[in-house]
Amino acid sequence: AQSVTQLDSHVSVSEGTPVLLRCNYSSSYSPSLFWYVQHPNKGLQLLLKYTSAATLVKGINGFEAEFKKSETSFHLTKPSAHMSDAAEYFCVVSERAAGNKLTFGGGTRVLVKP
Amino acid sequence: EPEVTQTPSHQVTQMGQEVILRCVPISNHLYFYWYRQILGQKVEFLVSFYNNEISEKSEIFDDQFSVERPDGSNFTLKIRSTKLEDSAMYFCASSWTSGADTQYFGPGTRLTVL
Repeated sequence: AQSVTQLDSHVSVSEGTPVLLRCNYSSSYSPSLFWYVQHPNKGLQLLLKYTSAATLVKGINGFEAEFKKSETSFHLTKPSAHMSDAAEYFCVVSERAAGNKLTFGGGTRVLVKP
Repeated sequence: EPEVTQTPSHQVTQMGQEVILRCVPISNHLYFYWYRQILGQKVEFLVSFYNNEISEKSEIFDDQFSVERPDGSNFTLKIRSTKLEDSAMYFCASSWTSGADTQYFGPGTRLTVL
């Protein structure tokens, strides 16, 4: 069975400083991993995805994530936070054995201080 | 850019009433999904739908729930007799293929059962 743990429910950063959102996953097979972002009153938007190609994945808005199989992690980073990055971020896993089902982490709410 | 739309954005209903949540997936997508998020909890998979039939469903998706693609564009989720615990945000998603393909999400319908 697949599962996802986001290690921080809330993260607070100052504008211009790095952002790190931590995610660990559990999967029986080679997983696909995603990060989605949800701004207030908006739908879930895909930031980036890993599907067994390069382990360092670049996404939109300057975000990137590194797949580390040995650590079962898929942490999301951004070198310099912007006020518009304030949102909730979800780490998501999918595996072929589980069909089309996405399994979500609990979410990390990011606050960006001026 | 094509997007998934959902109506209504907010639905209030009395316990025991039937509700239908509507979604218009991206037009050339073949796979359709419903997820829900109870306030303060994780986003949970409900059901996936392909080729006019359910391909996978979760334990949550009991006989009170049904899905339908009544025409070439809409995808609906019906709850026959709503319970208080059905109060949640319901997200529709669609994808071109299954597996690792990106699922595109709508903005959600907030269902409140009184």
